Amino acid sequence: AQSVTQLDSQVPVFEEAPVELRCNYSSSVSVYLFWYVQYPNQGLQLLLKYLSGSTLVKGINGFEAEFNKSQTSFHLRKPSVHISDTAEYFCAVSYSGGSNYKLTFGKGTLLTVNP
Amino acid sequence: EPEVTQTPSHQVTQMGQEVILRCVPISNHLYFYWYRQILGQKVEFLVSFYNNEISEKSEIFDDQFSVERPDGSNFTLKIRSTKLEDSAMYFCASSKGQGDTEAFFGQGTRLTVV
Repeated sequence: AQSVTQLDSQVPVFEEAPVELRCNYSSSVSVYLFWYVQYPNQGLQLLLKYLSGSTLVKGINGFEAEFNKSQTSFHLRKPSVHISDTAEYFCAVSYSGGSNYKLTFGKGTLLTVNP
Repeated sequence: EPEVTQTPSHQVTQMGQEVILRCVPISNHLYFYWYRQILGQKVEFLVSFYNNEISEKSEIFDDQFSVERPDGSNFTLKIRSTKLEDSAMYFCASSKGQGDTEAFFGQGTRLTVV
């Protein structure tokens, strides 16, 4: 079974500052890794995903994440945030050998970007 | 851009009543899912559906729940005899394939059981 831990429930930052949202996972098998974003009153939108290959993954809106197998982490980063990045961010994993797309989510991190 | 749509956006129901949450997945997608998020908790997998049958379900998805694709476009989640603890945001999702393909999520239905 997989599990996902997002270490920070809330991250407040100032506009144009860098941000890192932390995600660690636990799994006995190979996994795919995802970051989703949820803007207020909207659904979950995929930011980026790691399936295989390069451990540095670039996504939409200037976000990137790095897969670190030895540390079982998949932290999300952005060098300079905007007010519009204020949202809830969810890290998720799925079993890479699975027969369907069952995602296991973390509890989410609320990113608040202040002016 | 195609999207997954869910109706209603908010549903209030009395304890013990049955509710049906509706979803219209993206038209060329083959895999369909329901997830729920109880306030302040994780988004949890409920069920996946492929080829007109359940392919996997979680322990949460007991006999109180059922899913159906009644007409080739809608995908519904029925909750019988609702309980207070069923209050949550319910998300529908769909994907073209499995595993490495992106799942597209709807905006969710907030179910409040009173």
